[in-house]
Amino acid sequence: GAVVSQHPSRVICKSGTSVKIECRSLDFQATTMFWYRQFPKQSLMLMATSNEGSKATYEQGVEKDKFLINHASLTLSTLTVTSAHPEDSSFYICSAEAGTGVYEQYFGPGTRLTVT
Amino acid sequence: KNEVEQSPQNLTAQEGEFITINCSYSVGISALHWLQQHPGGGIVSLFMLSSGKKKHGRLIATINIQEKHSSLHITASHPRDSAVYICATPGVQGAQKLVFGQGTRLTINP
Repeated sequence: GAVVSQHPSRVICKSGTSVKIECRSLDFQATTMFWYRQFPKQSLMLMATSNEGSKATYEQGVEKDKFLINHASLTLSTLTVTSAHPEDSSFYICSAEAGTGVYEQYFGPGTRLTVT
Repeated sequence: KNEVEQSPQNLTAQEGEFITINCSYSVGISALHWLQQHPGGGIVSLFMLSSGKKKHGRLIATINIQEKHSSLHITASHPRDSAVYICATPGVQGAQKLVFGQGTRLTINP
């Protein structure tokens, strides 16, 4: 089946620094990628939808200047958390849509961000 | 917008038992996802199904589009099956955005 990877799997950073998380589709081209965050014991919350070569569409309440998304190629999307603060500590998950069917989303394993 | 409900929220069983997790949704859709999230957080896509039944190893997923209901079954359950199981459907018919159930926390005791 289709594989989506994320890097890093865990990252600890100091408050005020920026962190970049990569999401790659390893064996298919992803026309659309989705970024989610998940707080402890809660469900996934969609942050933004990104289409290759165009600006990401952010969900209401998500700061686009804080969570920068770049989808420069059909196999790579990046999420940069800028000027991270402890409240940004969360589990960030991406999914990728293969484009062969509306519902064929494949999920990455997630990245746990801890801001100290 | 689709409302997705899972039951039970928590399930504890003994190794070897047959497990069933249910998912109901309110808006007619064409496909549904079952995901598995282990304690470490990593998410694994188990199934995407639009009709009937799919089987992978000891896992079986069924969906009834007319009744807006899906079930995930685990046969011969094992402690390593302990995880949170999440179903997700598109928010509205034809949409990309998924709506997630609250998850079912499964614990299999040896």
